[in-house]
Amino acid sequence: AQTVTQSQPEMSVQEAETVTLSCTYDTSESDYYLFWYKQPPSRQMILVIRQEAYKQQNATENRFSVNFQKAAKSFSLKISDSQLGDAAMYFCAYKNYGGSQGNLIFGKGTKLSVKP
Amino acid sequence: GAVVSQHPSRVICKSGTSVKIECRSLDFQATTMFWYRQFPKQSLMLMATSNEGSKATYEQGVEKDKFLINHASLTLSTLTVTSAHPEDSSFYICSANYADTQYFGPGTRLTVL
Repeated sequence: AQTVTQSQPEMSVQEAETVTLSCTYDTSESDYYLFWYKQPPSRQMILVIRQEAYKQQNATENRFSVNFQKAAKSFSLKISDSQLGDAAMYFCAYKNYGGSQGNLIFGKGTKLSVKP
Repeated sequence: GAVVSQHPSRVICKSGTSVKIECRSLDFQATTMFWYRQFPKQSLMLMATSNEGSKATYEQGVEKDKFLINHASLTLSTLTVTSAHPEDSSFYICSANYADTQYFGPGTRLTVL
């Protein structure tokens, strides 16, 4: 069975600085998706970024980028120029490839605080 | 695109009553929707997978008769908490698949008195 591990329960970053959130996963599959979701205090789950395992290029969305290391089964999220609105819980998630019906496997989350 | 709505956002009910929560995909069709439960400061726990036109698939330990799921159309899934008790109080979130990505509703906070 697949598992997702986020080893940092809490992280803190100064506004305008850069922070990296860690995520490792375990799977025997070769094709899959990885995601980072953000859950602010409103509790709405928001997609931050998505990575397909078959793509070697790391995904980027504005200030958010990932470092995807397939062999190491590592999928970290880098937030550049941190803003106060980035403060939230961040969940790393895994989904098997092959059909749109598969469910997500979540890590336990990392709470990010942003200091002004 | 890929917007999911959920209604109601908050509901308070008395013990023993039933509560229905609706999940709608607003701008796409979803053959599969998912229902999660989230306890404070914890991750999301998958309760069941809702399949349009067929029975839902429940995760181990989730009571099928207590948490009734109906996926009657390609844009609507409902979760009914039957004979609710205080221990059912929680935050319930739905999601729907679009282009191999799950998009989430805003959640429903259920309080059972």
